Amino acid sequence: DVKVTQSSRYLVKRTGEKVFLECVQDMDHENMFWYRQDPGLGLRLIYFSYDVKMKEKGDIPEGYSVSREKKERFSLILESASTNQTSMYLCASSLIAGGRHNEQFFGPGTRLTVL
Amino acid sequence: AQSVTQLDSHVSVSEGTPVLLRCNYSSSYSPSLFWYVQHPNKGLQLLLKYTSAATLVKGINGFEAEFKKSETSFHLTKPSAHMSDAAEYFCVVSGDTGFQKLVFGTGTRLLVSP
Repeated sequence: DVKVTQSSRYLVKRTGEKVFLECVQDMDHENMFWYRQDPGLGLRLIYFSYDVKMKEKGDIPEGYSVSREKKERFSLILESASTNQTSMYLCASSLIAGGRHNEQFFGPGTRLTVL
Repeated sequence: AQSVTQLDSHVSVSEGTPVLLRCNYSSSYSPSLFWYVQHPNKGLQLLLKYTSAATLVKGINGFEAEFKKSETSFHLTKPSAHMSDAAEYFCVVSGDTGFQKLVFGTGTRLLVSP
């Protein structure tokens, strides 16, 4: 069974802290994605990666960075957390073969609160 | 650029009655379309997808959706709602780049009353 796991379900941090969110997939997928989900806004893409050490900005990359050192692991980094980054963060992965037809598989999400 | 509009932010039905969640899309390419469901405090799960084969797509848990190119619509239906269907539903269209990006609607919350 396909699986995407995220390191924490709930996280509380203080303004200015550096925050790491980790995501691991066991499906040997090339693509990995980080989204944030806010009420009424749906899912917005922060960053994605199509290969190890490769990354592309999504729609809202400001205030975030990412790291992909291994194929199965994709990390989201908040360099200096701010209260407007309080949100639900979702990680996803997908295959490259088959192109635009491929669905993404999602992790359970991390609910981050920045105080 | 691709976009998705979910026409209702909330839909309320009674258990045993039909469900209709409406979605319109805009795409400059022949799109792939998806419906995902999210139960409370859970990640997103794929319900069904359309990839230019049959226009009527059947998914899990009795849901289906019909791709109508002339109306640019991809509405989600179920003949008879169950209490366990209460969740948030997202209509999704494939992006227009080579990196398999998806574009999400803002979601429709389905409420099911006994």
